[in-house]
Amino acid sequence: DADVTQTPRNRITKTGKRIMLECSQTKGHDRMYWYRQDPGLGLRLIYYSFDVKDINKGEISDGYSVSRQAQAKFSLSLESAIPNQTALYFCATEAGTSADTQYFGPGTRLTVL
Amino acid sequence: QKEVEQNSGPLSVPEGAIASLNCTYSDRGSQSFFWYRQYSGKSPELIMSIYSNGDKEDGRFTAQLNKASQYVSLLIRDSQPSDSATYLCAVYGGATNKLIFGTGTLLAVQP
Repeated sequence: DADVTQTPRNRITKTGKRIMLECSQTKGHDRMYWYRQDPGLGLRLIYYSFDVKDINKGEISDGYSVSRQAQAKFSLSLESAIPNQTALYFCATEAGTSADTQYFGPGTRLTVL
Repeated sequence: QKEVEQNSGPLSVPEGAIASLNCTYSDRGSQSFFWYRQYSGKSPELIMSIYSNGDKEDGRFTAQLNKASQYVSLLIRDSQPSDSATYLCAVYGGATNKLIFGTGTLLAVQP
């Protein structure tokens, strides 16, 4: 089984709908991240969490919210989806030491019509 | 100045050649350096890590680190069409205590 899973893998929705993307991990990492990636662009950080009680905004948090339900689960919500939120979304986990790095889930392709 | 900079490419090399990918970083206190490969529409996959100055080899891949010049590179020997992907450099910042990604270099290996 994959260490980092994301659901759904693909989603098509309409403008104004509320959408939740879920991420689960079995790596036992404290840190979790949500990124979006648009064609030709790099990874842009939306939100990150260093532990269950810690939530931080990234560079593009407007229009998004998150919930860290447990060490293993980190959800991203779009309260009212808009077309420019169409993108590939990645969840990642990290142990939080300088010797380790981030491990990514398979991604969710979201299309907002 | 961006914290981690990469040339976006595309870098085009013929099959069998050496591909050289470069990355510079701004935080002199950075401690750890990583290279990811990302195929189109897929998630980034860790391929190399390096922590001290010098070279680190793993199969056809060699990572090179020069902390004095704040420069890290990835060499791919005997490049194959299957190496065609975007390569992301990531640096664990000493000041930020966070992993910072570059925007990636697109590599195209021509058969």
